[in-house]
Amino acid sequence: DGGITQSPKYLFRKEGQNVTLSCEQNLNHDAMYWYRQDPGQGLRLIYYSQIVNDFQKGDIAEGYSVSREKKESFPLTVTSAQKNPTAFYLCASTTGGLSNQPQHFGDGTRLSIL
Amino acid sequence: ELKVEQNPLFLSMQEGKNYTIYCNYSTTSDRLYWYRQDPGKSLESLFVLLSNGAVKQEGRLMASLDTKARLSTLHITAAVHDLSATYFCAVDMPPGTYKYIFGTGTRLKVLA
Repeated sequence: DGGITQSPKYLFRKEGQNVTLSCEQNLNHDAMYWYRQDPGQGLRLIYYSQIVNDFQKGDIAEGYSVSREKKESFPLTVTSAQKNPTAFYLCASTTGGLSNQPQHFGDGTRLSIL
Repeated sequence: ELKVEQNPLFLSMQEGKNYTIYCNYSTTSDRLYWYRQDPGKSLESLFVLLSNGAVKQEGRLMASLDTKARLSTLHITAAVHDLSATYFCAVDMPPGTYKYIFGTGTRLKVLA
């Protein structure tokens, strides 16, 4: 079955450490997204990518970095510059643009500070 | 500033009752999406509304879109406990782009 796989499910970060969250999709979607969700809050866009080797900052990109070297993969690195990284991180994908399709979401990664 | 606002933010209702969740957005868009999120889980798509006057129904949920008023509604009919979840609306802003803005979410609790 097609879908989006995020790993790991839980991640702990030590102070000063960079950590990378994995997101892989086999839906052949062009567009991929990273969102952050804090407890009891909505989704905030971190980065998104419309095509391979291209990505744009969302509303809260500071302290995060991404790459899009393959269509299937869109990893997110939470750098040490992100001082409050504890949150639920969701990856999504869609055919995007004028396709009128909703986003498909992974199961999420819950990141905490040690 | 581009905004998508939902109300109410929290809703506690008895089983068997009807209620409506509202989603207002601040710019022109003729496409709106509704999602459901169970506690600790990811989001799943409920409805895609593609034009003014669009109405979609699935079970006890019905969604509609009024692009002139920049308003979408999610109506719940005869609520049951299984509908307890958080509901989000989202629009693509600017329209036809790859960027989506999500509403604040409405946390629904249906009491037996």
